[in-house]
Amino acid sequence: EVQLVESGGGLVQPGRSLRLSCAASGFTFDDYAIHWVRQPPGKGLEWVSGISWNSGSIVYADSVKGRFTISRDNAKNSLFLQMNSLRAEDTALYYCARDSQLTVAGTGTYFDFWGQGTLVTVSA
Amino acid sequence: DIQMTQSPSSLSASVGDRVTITCRASQSISRFLNWYQQKPGKAPKVLIYAASSLQSGVPSRFSGSGSGTEFTLTISSLQPEDFATYYCQQSYSTPWTFGPGTQVEIK
Repeated sequence: EVQLVESGGGLVQPGRSLRLSCAASGFTFDDYAIHWVRQPPGKGLEWVSGISWNSGSIVYADSVKGRFTISRDNAKNSLFLQMNSLRAEDTALYYCARDSQLTVAGTGTYFDFWGQGTLVTVSA
Repeated sequence: DIQMTQSPSSLSASVGDRVTITCRASQSISRFLNWYQQKPGKAPKVLIYAASSLQSGVPSRFSGSGSGTEFTLTISSLQPEDFATYYCQQSYSTPWTFGPGTQVEIK
C-alpha cells in the first residue's frame, strides 16, 4: 500500500524557518517525482514545488521561489521542504503528493497519491 | 501562468441526480486536465486524468470530457459518498494550477 506521511508542521513566527518531511513507503520511491501542494484553511489547493526522481529537475511556484527549498533522500525514501522567511500567507496544510511520472514537469502528469498533510501556521 | 476557473462554485443536488461541473483554462491545454475529489478533512484523490481517463478504482459513474480550454466532469447518478469538493488541475505547463473548486452539497 502506497503511504505518504508528512511531519514537521507547527506554529512559527513570521520570518522564521521550518522544515517539513514526508516519509514514503509501499512503492519504489526513486521511480517517481514528488511534489508539495498546500491548502490554506478553508481554501483551495496550490501547488508549491516538485522534484524529479533523481533531484535533477526542481520547480517552484513563484510565491515560494527563493524562500523554500525542496530536496529528497532516495536512500531514506524521504522528501523534504525547507521553508525560510515564512509569511502569514504560508499558513496552510502541506501535502506531499506523488507524481504519476519520473519527471517533475512532464506534460500530462497528475498527482496519484497524497499524504494526509501537516499543518503550518505562521503567526506572531 | 495558466488560470483555471470552475463553475458553479457550489451546487445542491439529490442522490441519483446527474451532475456536471465545468472547468475552463485561460489558454489551450489540449487534454492535459485532471479532476480531483476532496472530502472534508481528507486529502484530495484523483478521479480523472488526461481529461477523460478514469483512474483505477474510481467508479464508472464519473466521467470527463473536453479539450482545449473547456472541460466537464460528470457524475451520472450522484451517490451519498460523492458529496465533496471537486477541483480541476492543468498539467500542460508548470506551474501546475488548480481551479478554485466546486462544492457538491446535499439538497
